[in-house]
Amino acid sequence: QVQLQESGPGLVKPSQTLSLTCTVSGGSISSGDYYWSWIRQPPGKGLEWIGYIYYSGSTYYNPSLKSRVTISVDTSKNQFSLKLSSVTAADTAVYYCAGYDSSGAKFDYWGQGTLVTVSS
Amino acid sequence: EIVLTQSPGTLSLSPGERATLSCRASQSVSSSYLAWYQQKPGQAPRLLIYGASSRATGIPDRFSGSGSGTDFTLTISRLEPEDFAVYYCQQYGSSPPGITFGQGTRLEIK
Repeated sequence: QVQLQESGPGLVKPSQTLSLTCTVSGGSISSGDYYWSWIRQPPGKGLEWIGYIYYSGSTYYNPSLKSRVTISVDTSKNQFSLKLSSVTAADTAVYYCAGYDSSGAKFDYWGQGTLVTVSS
Repeated sequence: EIVLTQSPGTLSLSPGERATLSCRASQSVSSSYLAWYQQKPGQAPRLLIYGASSRATGIPDRFSGSGSGTDFTLTISRLEPEDFAVYYCQQYGSSPPGITFGQGTRLEIK
């Protein structure tokens, strides 16, 4: 059973860069079965897809965030990461990492989520 | 970008009743690319339905999905206490490639 776990700072100052890492266990990130994704959810609000990466390094980003987002993968560590630059209070959210099955167009696996607050 | 609009925003029902949740797309969505999730407070979303009508592994058969084109429906035939949660629909679009979620329907106990 694939499991995902987010890690990173819970507090980021405005204008700085948010950085999170997702560690995948129970399966290889290089298996090619999934696109490794980031999704966020502001407190009390809905879900927003941020982007995803394939093990080869191919990336796709939400156009509304594309200018500030970088997703990378480290296959040797079975991890992938998110960087979101120039953050504001509007970026305060629970950030989830997830495994996206492109053949079924579905998120099969989710991390538990981590709350990141943007505040000085 | 395809926008998904879910209705109603909140649905108040009693255990044992039937729930019908709607997801309407701003343009046609392939049925293969429409999924539904359930989210309970403090938890990550859980996949219920994919391909508009296929139940995910371990999902009870009281959950069913239907629809095509721009109109999709999630039906819960007989509500159990554990079904009260927020439900999201999600679609994948290929041109350009991207994923969007509906704003969610909150199913609450009446």
